[in-house]
Amino acid sequence: ELKVEQNPLFLSMQEGKNYTIYCNYSTTSDRLYWYRQDPGKSLESLFVLLSNGAVKQEGRLMASLDTKARLSTLHITAAVHDLSATYFCAVDLNFGNEKLTFGTGTRLTIIP
Amino acid sequence: DTGVSQDPRHKITKRGQNVTFRCDPISEHNRLYWYRQTLGQGPEFLTYFQNEAQLEKSRLLSDRFSAERPKGSFSTLEIQRTEQGDSAMYLCASSLGAGVADTQYFGPGTRLTVL
Repeated sequence: ELKVEQNPLFLSMQEGKNYTIYCNYSTTSDRLYWYRQDPGKSLESLFVLLSNGAVKQEGRLMASLDTKARLSTLHITAAVHDLSATYFCAVDLNFGNEKLTFGTGTRLTIIP
Repeated sequence: DTGVSQDPRHKITKRGQNVTFRCDPISEHNRLYWYRQTLGQGPEFLTYFQNEAQLEKSRLLSDRFSAERPKGSFSTLEIQRTEQGDSAMYLCASSLGAGVADTQYFGPGTRLTVL
């Protein structure tokens, strides 16, 4: 059974600092997604990572994928308050995008 | 608005009652997914459709749960004889169902509270 683990589960950081969220998964997969969820809202797609070594960047967020280590990272650069949210990674076990297995999420709070 | 929509947004019901939720996917999307999310957890897959065909069901989907997508457009999720453990956010997502970079787009969810 595929397991997806994120750490940390909670992260409180000051504005302007850098930090990394880690996502480990237990079974080989070549496709990994990052989503953002604001309180009481639905999930917003951030990145799709499709192969080993893939790196995507959008604004202050950068995601990478190491399929050999079964590890993805979401790096936050010079955090700002509006990045406060819960971030989920999700793994697509089957190449055909039939279902996603999500991690438990990382609740990020940016302190002014 | 061309996003995924869900109705109702909130539902409060008494234990033992039946409830039905509706999801309207993005219009050109062939695939439609249902997930359940409980407080502090990530979404859990329930089932998905390719057009009108239901292709996979999670073991989380007990026989009290049924989902349909009769014409390959909107979908309904029905829960019969609700239990308190069914209280959760029910999320619908859709995707084109083609291409390597296919992404699931999520709706706003239906929050179910079973009293």
